[in-house]
Amino acid sequence: SHELTQPLSVSVALGQTARITCGGEIIGRRDVHWYQDKPGQAPVLVMYRDNVRPSEISERFSGSNSGNTASLTISRAQGGDEADYYCQVWDSSTLMFGGGTKLTVL
Amino acid sequence: QVQLVQSGSELKKPGASVKVSCQASGYTFTTKTLHWVRQAPGQGLEWMGWINTNTGIPTYAQGFTGRFVFSLDTSVSTAYLQISRLKAEDTAVYSCARGEMYYDGSGNRLYYLDFWGRGTLVTVSA
Repeated sequence: SHELTQPLSVSVALGQTARITCGGEIIGRRDVHWYQDKPGQAPVLVMYRDNVRPSEISERFSGSNSGNTASLTISRAQGGDEADYYCQVWDSSTLMFGGGTKLTVL
Repeated sequence: QVQLVQSGSELKKPGASVKVSCQASGYTFTTKTLHWVRQAPGQGLEWMGWINTNTGIPTYAQGFTGRFVFSLDTSVSTAYLQISRLKAEDTAVYSCARGEMYYDGSGNRLYYLDFWGRGTLVTVSA
């Protein structure tokens, strides 16, 4: 079982805002990182240390971490954003992933 | 630019062994840790552990001890994952990823994975 809880799926209309959450008791005490995973491609780091966006990632992606929930927000959603998204924390010498969320852009 | 290039797909019989390679380029290999991640069909990402590319010391996650071995050949900037006594449930995509380390306010080392390989599909079937 996962200690980081993500919704199995999130749907968003084209051009609207999607929010993917990652919950867990540890969240408030640790930085959260996010990965985008598309079939046949290498996973991509889209957010690290809660809200830092790698230079090559669109500014439409943003992150937050408050209380026991971290969020990855994708504004003006595009078809190319369709992917699985995973949150991740490092704790007690162990790397943990959330169960993953499938983002569908309608 | 940073690249992690993995070896190609493998089809193995139960009981056999497999060795997956991950060749790094675009940075000094021994300055970053190298992590392994498994993704079984239809499942999420599962961290297998990591290897210190400077010392060669591996650390295995729970559930990945015994049959799984991480190794290095620093002369060719390559990390390896060997799985022995393969079982059908080992069928998965195995990915390598570079670990970026930083310290929190308490001096603890923390990691995230900043570059990934494309993954190697290992299929175990009779």
